[in-house]
Amino acid sequence: EDQVTQSPEALRLQEGESSSLNCSYTVSGLRGLFWYRQDPGKGPEFLFTLYSAGEEKEKERLKATLTKKESFLHITAPKPEDSATYLCAVQVLTLPTQGGSEKLVFGKGTKLTVNP
Amino acid sequence: DVKVTQSSRYLVKRTGEKVFLECVQDMDHENMFWYRQDPGLGLRLIYFSYDVKMKEKGDIPEGYSVSREKKERFSLILESASTNQTSMYLCASSLWGGRDEQFFGPGTRLTVL
Repeated sequence: EDQVTQSPEALRLQEGESSSLNCSYTVSGLRGLFWYRQDPGKGPEFLFTLYSAGEEKEKERLKATLTKKESFLHITAPKPEDSATYLCAVQVLTLPTQGGSEKLVFGKGTKLTVNP
Repeated sequence: DVKVTQSSRYLVKRTGEKVFLECVQDMDHENMFWYRQDPGLGLRLIYFSYDVKMKEKGDIPEGYSVSREKKERFSLILESASTNQTSMYLCASSLWGGRDEQFFGPGTRLTVL
């Protein structure tokens, strides 16, 4: 069964205190790994897609990396506006009974709070 | 920018009612998805569609059905709402089933009393 595990469940940082969020996965065939940000009461907002081990992508204070078993979302010198839940999702093939297409399997998220 | 809209932000229904949740996207995306999000369980896929009039069951389809009569519109139907269907419902769309990210709507918070 395809599984995505995010850790920690919650993380509190002081403004400027860098840290990393982890997303580990066990899937039958990884076709892509996605990071999303979700603010309370809103839908997830796309951040990054990673396709192969060793790939890295950056956006402002965020940097996502990928290995064969996990991905990290590094947050450098965070600000209070970075407070949100960060979701990781892997793209996998669906079952033949589901059309043999592709779907996302989500982790449960890491709730990040950055205090001023 | 891609825009995915959902018909209601908040909805309160009674047990046994038939409930329709509507989702519309404006970027001519082929693929549309319905998820529910619950504390401690994360996002779970209910149904998805890769073309007009086509639908596939996701991981938790029981108690739900869908309709996609037009490319831009994907409806989730609760035939007889139950209290365990109280949840946040999120619609998403993407250009292809392959390497394109999914764009999400704002969500509908459904409460079934």
